[in-house]
Amino acid sequence: QSVLTQPPSVSAAPGQEVTISCSGTSSNIGTNFVSWYQQLPLTAPKLLIYENKKRRSWVPDRISASKSGTSATLAITGLQAGDEAIYYCATWDSSLSVPGPFGGGTKLTVL
Amino acid sequence: EVQLVQSGPEVKKPGESLRISCKASGYSFSTSWIAWVRQMPGKGPEWMGIVYPGDSDVRYSPSFQGHVTISVDKSTTTAFLQWNSLRISDSATYYCAKLFASYYDSCGQGTLVTVSS
Repeated sequence: QSVLTQPPSVSAAPGQEVTISCSGTSSNIGTNFVSWYQQLPLTAPKLLIYENKKRRSWVPDRISASKSGTSATLAITGLQAGDEAIYYCATWDSSLSVPGPFGGGTKLTVL
Repeated sequence: EVQLVQSGPEVKKPGESLRISCKASGYSFSTSWIAWVRQMPGKGPEWMGIVYPGDSDVRYSPSFQGHVTISVDKSTTTAFLQWNSLRISDSATYYCAKLFASYYDSCGQGTLVTVSS
């Protein structure tokens, strides 16, 4: 069981919006930055969002993220078939200056 | 362009040793932390350890401390992940990833390790 809790799966039709939650505690998400990664089938995870809400240059603005308290959320609007992937949240352990835990991942299915 | 190119898939028996590699290019190797991350089939990634090539400072996740060894060769800008005695439960895909501040900003293509008797 992962330290960061994500729903195992979400789904929506093309053009619709989905949100993916990532729940932690005051010692991980509550006091550290959150990053989000997209893993397409048979490929390595790829950084989407860093420092809670900053998008990588290749990420379209229909993908956004936020953090509040001990939870973070990834939102994708205008869903496209190419968004079908597994999405992971992760955090940092600033007290030890080492990576923190990943979430268990959420499989996004575009219906 | 940052590139992390990992060594190819491995098939080993329990008890055997193994070292996999991650060749880095396109950035200052000595001044960026590199992480090794395990991903078991159908599971989320887990960080195993990180290394700072500049001074070979290594920090291990408690879950992997004592079972793996992480090292670097600055002359070839290569990071390594090593096992002295593999277990069947070590079967997984292993990624190296470059760290920037609090996140993994680039990732290798992964190395599939299969341990089977």
